[in-house]
Amino acid sequence: LAKTTQPISMDSYEGQEVNITCSHNNIATNDYITWYQQFPSQGPRFIIQGYKTKVTNEVASLFIPADRKSSTLSLPRVSLSDTAVYYCLVGARNNDMRFGAGTRLTVKP
Amino acid sequence: GAVVSQHPSWVICKSGTSVKIECRSLDFQATTMFWYRQFPKQSLMLMATSNEGSKATYEQGVEKDKFLINHASLTLSTLTVTSAHPEDSSFYICSTIRSTSVETQYFGPGTRLLVL
Repeated sequence: LAKTTQPISMDSYEGQEVNITCSHNNIATNDYITWYQQFPSQGPRFIIQGYKTKVTNEVASLFIPADRKSSTLSLPRVSLSDTAVYYCLVGARNNDMRFGAGTRLTVKP
Repeated sequence: GAVVSQHPSWVICKSGTSVKIECRSLDFQATTMFWYRQFPKQSLMLMATSNEGSKATYEQGVEKDKFLINHASLTLSTLTVTSAHPEDSSFYICSTIRSTSVETQYFGPGTRLLVL
């Protein structure tokens, strides 16, 4: 089962781009990488998912190098409302739904 | 829009009573649902995997007689905290898998349980 490692916390300022990297050295061939955002007293919210290279949606981009042993969530021009905990999960077909510690992002004015 | 709902959103109960939490997939069938517990400032901890029509699979250290899980239909799973005690006070979150081209996990809004 692929274990993930993320920085415990990050600080940023409004308008900056934030990149959060997740390490998953023993990712399996069938595993996808998924990122979630969680606000206090709410369930995690799906942000983005990818398998390799780059994925972009309306809220974020996900960069995955060729070896897939890490991934980087990129949040463009963050605002105060992006202050939250961000989790990366690695797994496939209902397996390894265990969360790591996540990254607590604080966006300052 | 939301794809998973939970009810109730919060509950306060006396020690020794049992509390049932419902988790529903709103517009799709979910053969598998997951139950998590989250304490303040901590990550989500997987408690059990609930499979429709069969027994739940509990994570190590989670008492199956304490946390009863029933997944009687493809859209509903329930978690019952039996004989609740103050240490069971936590934030309980369910999730399910929605399969399109890729399987993606979606989470409910969570249920805050306070046991007095």
